[in-house]
Amino acid sequence: NAGVTQTPKFQVLKTGQSMTLQCAQDMNHEYMSWYRQDPGMGLRLIHYSVGAGITDQGEVPNGYNVSRSTTEDFPLRLLSAAPSQTSVYFCASSYFSWRGSGANVLTFGAGSRLTVL
Amino acid sequence: QKEVEQDPGPLSVPEGAIVSLNCTYSNSAFQYFMWYRQYSRKGPELLMYTYSSGNKEDGRFTAQVDKSSKYISLFIRDSQPSDSATYLCAMIPEGATNKLIFGTGTLLAVQP
Repeated sequence: NAGVTQTPKFQVLKTGQSMTLQCAQDMNHEYMSWYRQDPGMGLRLIHYSVGAGITDQGEVPNGYNVSRSTTEDFPLRLLSAAPSQTSVYFCASSYFSWRGSGANVLTFGAGSRLTVL
Repeated sequence: QKEVEQDPGPLSVPEGAIVSLNCTYSNSAFQYFMWYRQYSRKGPELLMYTYSSGNKEDGRFTAQVDKSSKYISLFIRDSQPSDSATYLCAMIPEGATNKLIFGTGTLLAVQP
């Protein structure tokens, strides 16, 4: 099993450019999410999905779009990159769904480092 | 004020020391408490999780939750250089599975 795979690992963008960070998981997880990690800020939730066709906003959604057409894939789109979006982005998934209660134990990808100039 | 507070460190200890890592929180609805370990330039990986108050032990690691004080701890016994990483606490309120809140992480360095 590959787990959670993120591509690319590194990307440099110019202000105003758009791009898509890819995330794929092979564990048949219902729940998928995107976080950004910044120094002193910890991990902050951008968007999440509880299943194919269902997405919702997290704590810091502005400037990002997501879609979930399959169980396996959850891409994150930056519409018009800004220097404030320079960060390390993590995709995470879990078996857990919003239907139940309990601990949402996440499996993280290795991260995508994005620099916006 | 952040919902979850965690001292960023860095914390440097000699090999073999007992390490204590802590988080405080303000939301009394938190019921699920987790500790993730993150090596440099890697994604976080789950180390331990507990429900409500009490202790949980796994090898050299012990997680402790004191809900009355809104305080959680992770103890590492006989620390090893391979334990050098950032440790993040995370919490979920009852009935709000998707609202996983992370602390900022504590950087630990275990010196050989």
